[in-house]
Amino acid sequence: AQSVTQLGSHVSVSEGALVLLRCNYSSSVPPYLFWYVQYPNQGLQLLLKYTTGATLVKGINGFEAEFKKSETSFHLTKPSAHMSDAAEYFCAVSVGGNQFYFGTGTSLTVIP
Amino acid sequence: DSGVTQTPKHLITATGQRVTLRCSPRSGDLSVYWYQQSLDQGLQFLIQYYNGEERAKGNILERFSAQQFPDLHSELNLSSLELGDSALYFCASSVVGGAQFFGPGTRLTVL
Repeated sequence: AQSVTQLGSHVSVSEGALVLLRCNYSSSVPPYLFWYVQYPNQGLQLLLKYTTGATLVKGINGFEAEFKKSETSFHLTKPSAHMSDAAEYFCAVSVGGNQFYFGTGTSLTVIP
Repeated sequence: DSGVTQTPKHLITATGQRVTLRCSPRSGDLSVYWYQQSLDQGLQFLIQYYNGEERAKGNILERFSAQQFPDLHSELNLSSLELGDSALYFCASSVVGGAQFFGPGTRLTVL
């Protein structure tokens, strides 16, 4: 069975500090991995995805994530947080591109 | 703009009523997914359709049903509504093996 665990339902960082949002997955077959961002009263927006190939994936708004098979992780990072990064972030895993499994989300607060 | 459209944006109705939410996927996407998002339950997967056929079922109540039509648009029917059904309902679409693209959602309020 597939599952996603996001460690930390709330993360606070100072403006300009490193953003690190953690995601661990469980999958019996090679997964496709995704990060989504949700701003208040909006739908989820794709930040980045990993399917095959390079394990370091760059996404929009300066975010990137690294697929580490040995650690079953796909943590999201950004070197310098902006106020506009405050939002809810969801990690998701898909097997074979069909059913998706979403984590419970991490709310990011950026402190000025 | 993800290319996925949902109507209506807001819906206010009373307990016991029935409503229909509509979703048009991105051009070329054969898969449609429905999700419910509420403060206490988070993002819950309801059901997936692929090219008109049900592909996967999640935490969908028996009072809820969905279908995908030949033109690939989908409808989610919610009946015998309860206060607890108040939530944001999202539709997403994808190609096989691709990322899901989400619509803006329908906010349902049951009074």
